[in-house]
Amino acid sequence: EPEVTQTPSHQVTQMGQEVILRCVPISNHLYFYWYRQILGQKVEFLVSFYNNEISEKSEIFDDQFSVERPDGSNFTLKIRSTKLEDSAMYFCASLRGRGYTFGSGTRLTVV
Amino acid sequence: DQQVKQNSPSLSVQEGRISILNCDYTNSMFDYFLWYKKYPAEGPTFLISISSIKDKNEDGRFTVFLNKSAKHLSLHIVPSQPGDSAVYFCAARLSTGGGNKLTFGTGTQLKVEL
Repeated sequence: EPEVTQTPSHQVTQMGQEVILRCVPISNHLYFYWYRQILGQKVEFLVSFYNNEISEKSEIFDDQFSVERPDGSNFTLKIRSTKLEDSAMYFCASLRGRGYTFGSGTRLTVV
Repeated sequence: DQQVKQNSPSLSVQEGRISILNCDYTNSMFDYFLWYKKYPAEGPTFLISISSIKDKNEDGRFTVFLNKSAKHLSLHIVPSQPGDSAVYFCAARLSTGGGNKLTFGTGTQLKVEL
């Protein structure tokens, strides 16, 4: 069964550093997403990406965040200057039709 | 902004009995609802979904019921098995924003005991 692959599984970074979280969505899917889950809280929408541009973003997705699909297979989330409160599980997802598939996540720890 | 709520943070059920997980929503524009199962340190795994034009969808041991007038949906698992122990999230889709984003509830931790 096709999978959404995320790397790394765990990233530790110092506050203020830039991080890039990587995802390989399912190849024939059309929409790509980033969600995050802070420990003990619900899964929150960050951004959706369609046709090589952002189609919707949440209030969380401020100027510190950016997404890119540089080569037609990878889908990346960049956080320019990480803050302690960015510590969370970050999930990539892709969609075709009504089938949303999530990756296993990247645990980001900002110290 | 709690458009999707799961009011029971946890539920404990005996093996073989029925598990009923509940979810309430406030936005009448949601057009599609999904249930996901999640283990720690893993991504959400899709279980079952229902369109807003239907009131029931069944897949094996899993049935989802939708009551649009009450803005309520529920997931029934019967018979419950120990492997069903996980956190269950309901999610609702809003197609009008352009991104088909999902809004998740806070989750219910289901424990199926032997």
